[in-house]
Amino acid sequence: AAGVIQSPRHLIKEKRETATLKCYPIPRHDTVYWYQQGPGQDPQFLISFYEKMQSDKGSIPDRFSAQQFSDYHSELNMSSLELGDSALYFCASSSGTISYEQYFGPGTRLTVT
Amino acid sequence: AQSVSQHNHHVILSEAASLELGCNYSYGGTVNLFWYVQYPGQHLQLLLKYFSGDPLVKGIKGFEAEFIKSKFSFNLRKPSVQWSDTAEYFCAVYTGGFKTIFGAGTRLFVKA
Repeated sequence: AAGVIQSPRHLIKEKRETATLKCYPIPRHDTVYWYQQGPGQDPQFLISFYEKMQSDKGSIPDRFSAQQFSDYHSELNMSSLELGDSALYFCASSSGTISYEQYFGPGTRLTVT
Repeated sequence: AQSVSQHNHHVILSEAASLELGCNYSYGGTVNLFWYVQYPGQHLQLLLKYFSGDPLVKGIKGFEAEFIKSKFSFNLRKPSVQWSDTAEYFCAVYTGGFKTIFGAGTRLFVKA
């Protein structure tokens, strides 16, 4: 069965650079969620999109932005990167009209040096 | 504010021991409840979920959880753990608005 795809899987950036993370949801899933998981921490909700519109917002820094495109894939744009942004970024998808069970992708490990 | 509390941050068990991980949430309305597992170096996977109906739900790999509405709890259980159950376990609550709140996680280490 198709799963959530995230790219890249690993990313190394320097401070003050920008990064773009991509998420491709499971086919026919219309909702995408982004989470940040720091070392030894629980996933922190960043932002979610339903039918290409922002549906909820969590602890996402102003330096970050995200959007969902017409094909339902989503991109998380991160600017002015800081050392503290180093984390595992998970994307999850769900079918918002059926259940809110989220299927998680493998994550993108971002390292800021 | 809505929150999810997991009672233990670290649990160490020997193989064949029984497991119970506590989870309490603070929200008075209708909730959807989940337990996710994260094996070392891997992403979150769904263990089991509760939406409605029988409060005792069974998931994969022999795990089960009981929803007790009066106690706002959704504890995870397994009668006999295996070394391969070593992982981090997250309780999560969906209360609406496309946001799921995760607990801080419980790291389980099973000694062979």
